[in-house]
Amino acid sequence: QQKVQQSPESLIVPEGAMTSLNCTFSDSASQYFAWYRQHSGKAPKALMSIFSNGEKEEGRFTIHLNKASLHFSLHIRDSQPSDSALYLCAESNSAGNKLTFGIGTRVLVRP
Amino acid sequence: EAAVTQSPRNKVAVTGGKVTLSCNQTNNHNNMYWYRQDTGHGLRLIHYSYGAGSTEKGDIPDGYKASRPSQENFSLILELATPSQTSVYFCASGDAWGTGDYAEQFFGPGTRLTVL
Repeated sequence: QQKVQQSPESLIVPEGAMTSLNCTFSDSASQYFAWYRQHSGKAPKALMSIFSNGEKEEGRFTIHLNKASLHFSLHIRDSQPSDSALYLCAESNSAGNKLTFGIGTRVLVRP
Repeated sequence: EAAVTQSPRNKVAVTGGKVTLSCNQTNNHNNMYWYRQDTGHGLRLIHYSYGAGSTEKGDIPDGYKASRPSQENFSLILELATPSQTSVYFCASGDAWGTGDYAEQFFGPGTRLTVL
């Protein structure tokens, strides 16, 4: 079973709407959680990361972490067609030198 | 920004042949990684390295070897390629805690490998 599970598998949202992506993990000792974005045919690229419980906002992007419920999420406000991509969540091992990725959520933002 | 390059970008190999995928990074990161990406499986770690001369097995190392001859270079070797190794392979580099953008990994553009 995947150690890091993402939902939904895919999502279609209208331009300007909120996009919400979810990730659950199984290792309560994990210390670093991140979201990567991968446009079609391109390399994954780090989007945002968080270390402690709570919320972190950067522009239109907000990441939430709840270690007690083994859950973190990404919210994209005012979604744009350029946000259409595969979104990968990842958790780090305790040493911070190894990431485990989820399968990904494919997002399509329709104009 | 971290620069990671991979070669070749596309490769067609025959079953049983030897394939070497190369990766170079210019940002002096200690750690380097090889992943494969397949639909339905996401990014899976094959091998990684903490520095020149070191290689470690990842989650799916069977059928693959790795070599880290220098800080900058990390190779993935398929001694006897099989059709099941047809995939997109990504190399990444990064550093561990306390060295700036710790835990963030910077990915190369990928190599599309087809084994016939």
